[in-house]
Amino acid sequence: AQSVTQLGSHVSVSEGALVLLRCNYSSSVPPYLFWYVQYPNQGLQLLLKYTSAATLVKGINGFEAEFKKSETSFHLTKPSAHMSDAAEYFCAVMARGAQKLVFGQGTRLTINP
Amino acid sequence: NAGVTQTPKFQVLKTGQSMTLQCAQDMNHNSMYWYRQDPGMGLRLIYYSASEGTTDKGEVPNGYNVSRLNKREFSLRLESAAPSQTSVYFCASRPGTLRETAYYEQYFGPGTRLTVT
Repeated sequence: AQSVTQLGSHVSVSEGALVLLRCNYSSSVPPYLFWYVQYPNQGLQLLLKYTSAATLVKGINGFEAEFKKSETSFHLTKPSAHMSDAAEYFCAVMARGAQKLVFGQGTRLTINP
Repeated sequence: NAGVTQTPKFQVLKTGQSMTLQCAQDMNHNSMYWYRQDPGMGLRLIYYSASEGTTDKGEVPNGYNVSRLNKREFSLRLESAAPSQTSVYFCASRPGTLRETAYYEQYFGPGTRLTVT
């Protein structure tokens, strides 16, 4: 079975500061990992994904994430926050060959001017 | 391409009423999904359809039924709505063949906000 834990339901950073959103996963088989972003009153949009190629994955809007098998982590980072990054972010895991995506509970990112 | 579309956008029901949420995708995807989103709980899978003609239960199927009408359309029905079904419902789809580079990605619709009083 797969599960995802996102550490911190709310994260607040200043504009221009580093963004770090934490995600730890549990999977009995090698996983695929994803970060999705949800802007207010919208659906989810894929930010980036890890599917067993490079462990450092770059996504849209300047975000990146690193797969660390030893730490079972897939933290999302962005060097410099922008006001437009304010949204809810979801980490998700899928077992290879499976149909189902398992989501974390989400982290709401607030950017302070 | 419109991607994944959902109707209606908003709905208010009284306890015991029934309704069907509609979802359609124009990307020729094989797999389709229904999720519900509740505060602090992320998205939870209600039902999914790996291919036309098949459906399977997800994490929270009680109180719901689904129909994969054809490859494009996947509907979610609430037979007797309850206040616990107040939520935002998302439909998603995914390519069905490994040859497609986006095989592992799910594409989401804009959601239906449902309130049951």
